[in-house]
Amino acid sequence: GAVVSQHPSRVICKSGTSVKIECRSLDFQATTMFWYRQFPKQSLMLMATSNEGSKATYEQGVEKDKFLINHASLTLSTLTVTSAHPEDSSFYICSARTGSGNTIYFGEGSWLTVV
Amino acid sequence: AQSVTQLGSHVSVSEGALVLLRCNYSSSVPPYLFWYVQYPNQGLQLLLKYTTGATLVKGINGFEAEFKKSETSFHLTKPSAHMSDAAEYFCAVTLRSSNTGKLIFGQGTTLQVKP
Repeated sequence: GAVVSQHPSRVICKSGTSVKIECRSLDFQATTMFWYRQFPKQSLMLMATSNEGSKATYEQGVEKDKFLINHASLTLSTLTVTSAHPEDSSFYICSARTGSGNTIYFGEGSWLTVV
Repeated sequence: AQSVTQLGSHVSVSEGALVLLRCNYSSSVPPYLFWYVQYPNQGLQLLLKYTTGATLVKGINGFEAEFKKSETSFHLTKPSAHMSDAAEYFCAVTLRSSNTGKLIFGQGTTLQVKP
């Protein structure tokens, strides 16, 4: 099946700094990618929908100035957590929709720890 | 608005026993339905999906699910559990009409397989 890759898989950053997480579709073009956040032992919460060449659409309650999303190409979307705080520590997962539209593949996830 | 309910946050079965993970959805129109599996510290892997056609869907690793419109259910089953099936399982839906891939997840069910 299609492959979606995230990098880095784990990152530790200091409070107040920014960190970027990449999401790549390796063998297909993804016009739409999605960013989710997952707290331990909980379900996934959609943060935003990333569309290639346009601004991301954020879910209610998600700070767009804090979680910057860029979808510069058909195979790459990035999530930048700006001015990170310890409460931003979480598992961030991206997904990408294939061209046919009805299959969504997920990346491996990225653990962010803010100290 | 759509929602997904997974009955039972924790299911425990013996190796070789039947696995049944329950999922009910609420949607104004029949949605696309998915089951994903998540192993510890990893992303999500698609087990199976229902879009159209046959209501009994076969997936990977011997899992299958049946879409029952009258019951608004999409329960996941496997005839004989393996130790390797121990993981977190998520049921998810997306609107058929929007076809954006924006998934709404259930709360997840932890499957424990006892030797």
